[in-house]
Amino acid sequence: GENVEQHPSTLSVQEGDSAVIKCTYSDSASNYFPWYKQELGKGPQLIIDIRSNVGEKKDQRIAVTLNKTAKHFSLHITETQPEDSAVYFCAASIGGYQKVTFGIGTKLQVIP
Amino acid sequence: NAGVTQTPKFQVLKTGQSMTLQCAQDMNHEYMSWYRQDPGMGLRLIHYSVGAGITDQGEVPNGYNVSRSTTEDFPLRLLSAAPSQTSVYFCASSQLQGPPLHFGNGTRLTVT
Repeated sequence: GENVEQHPSTLSVQEGDSAVIKCTYSDSASNYFPWYKQELGKGPQLIIDIRSNVGEKKDQRIAVTLNKTAKHFSLHITETQPEDSAVYFCAASIGGYQKVTFGIGTKLQVIP
Repeated sequence: NAGVTQTPKFQVLKTGQSMTLQCAQDMNHEYMSWYRQDPGMGLRLIHYSVGAGITDQGEVPNGYNVSRSTTEDFPLRLLSAAPSQTSVYFCASSQLQGPPLHFGNGTRLTVT
């Protein structure tokens, strides 16, 4: 089955700096890569996603890049703000919704 | 529109007791799933369903049963709780046509 590795497990940045979280996947058939943000006491919430036919996608301060050859994908958050502090999960799946495999999560702390 | 609702929010069980974690969604989603979240292990899929009367196993199904008698509800049953089942459990749903997964706010279960 699919295996998703995510690093770092914790990340501290100063407010205004950028944060990068990296993931790798094992199954070359995976074609959908979502990123979820989990705030304390809440369930994960989708923040951005990318499909395998796209190399990069941006949404305001958030961007995701995908390298299919290397089976790498990354989340980039620019101009970080304290409200960006949360746990971020990368994930991979074939098709989009079934058997989504998650990484272990990255706890991001933005220091004011 | 409440989204995905999980009850209870917290539960403490003794080893060997049984219980049912409830999950309901009001978005008419065909796909529903259960994940458990453990430190350092991310979110792992327990069971999932693509419609009423159809269920299948995920990555970690042992010790858990599910059924899907209606589109809205997808309960998770622990027949004989074990300390290894101490975890935070999340229910998630989606349209069959595609993502994203919508998560509930979780049930924190402790088995002593």
